[in-house]
Amino acid sequence: GAVVSQHPSRVICKSGTSVKIECRSLDFQATTMFWYRQFPKKSLMLMATSNEGSKATYEQGVEKDKFLINHASLTLSTLTVTSAHPEDSSFYICSARRSGPYNEQFFGPGTRLTVL
Amino acid sequence: GQQLNQSPQSMFIQEGEDVSMNCTSSSIFNTWLWYKQDPGEGPVLLIALYKAGELTSNGRLTAQFGITRKDSFLNISASIPSDVGIYFCAGQNNAGNMLTFGGGTRLMVKP
Repeated sequence: GAVVSQHPSRVICKSGTSVKIECRSLDFQATTMFWYRQFPKKSLMLMATSNEGSKATYEQGVEKDKFLINHASLTLSTLTVTSAHPEDSSFYICSARRSGPYNEQFFGPGTRLTVL
Repeated sequence: GQQLNQSPQSMFIQEGEDVSMNCTSSSIFNTWLWYKQDPGEGPVLLIALYKAGELTSNGRLTAQFGITRKDSFLNISASIPSDVGIYFCAGQNNAGNMLTFGGGTRLMVKP
């Protein structure tokens, strides 16, 4: 159990276009999901906390109008990179928190975004 | 904000050797976690530590939650080639349950 999927796994787009990334918890409900960004050979940096039915909470320095987050159901959160530019190219990883005594987080496999 | 210092940054060892890596924090965490990440994949949880002083094993992996709640170590015994990857420590507190990650330890194992 506790499987998290991401779609797509890899996407290449042109500058100026928008890209939507989906994060799904497949066998549990997640009221909270997290979106991370990872640059090559670097650690994961938290971008935002996605809460089902309410607005996401963004970390300092992350533009909320640039990275739109929608958590419309207990098993799905989406991250939309709007008007993408080459500097948005990165590895985006989501995690879903499973409610319980330890509130464990399970990570998706990541999405590699390349903006040309 | 909180920061985790993870060391070493990289290790190149011979198959069969034991490995040790650690994380220290400038502030207290209530939970310490160790993850492994393979190239192009998301992190996979290896060990979770919930109590100060706790020592937990998972196969060849052993991790301890420091008594001060500001540090943790991970040991891998008798390393094998499939241990290759990047290992991350992460601290979690109660507020928001967000994770703070260390910088990672890149492990390379020579057969």
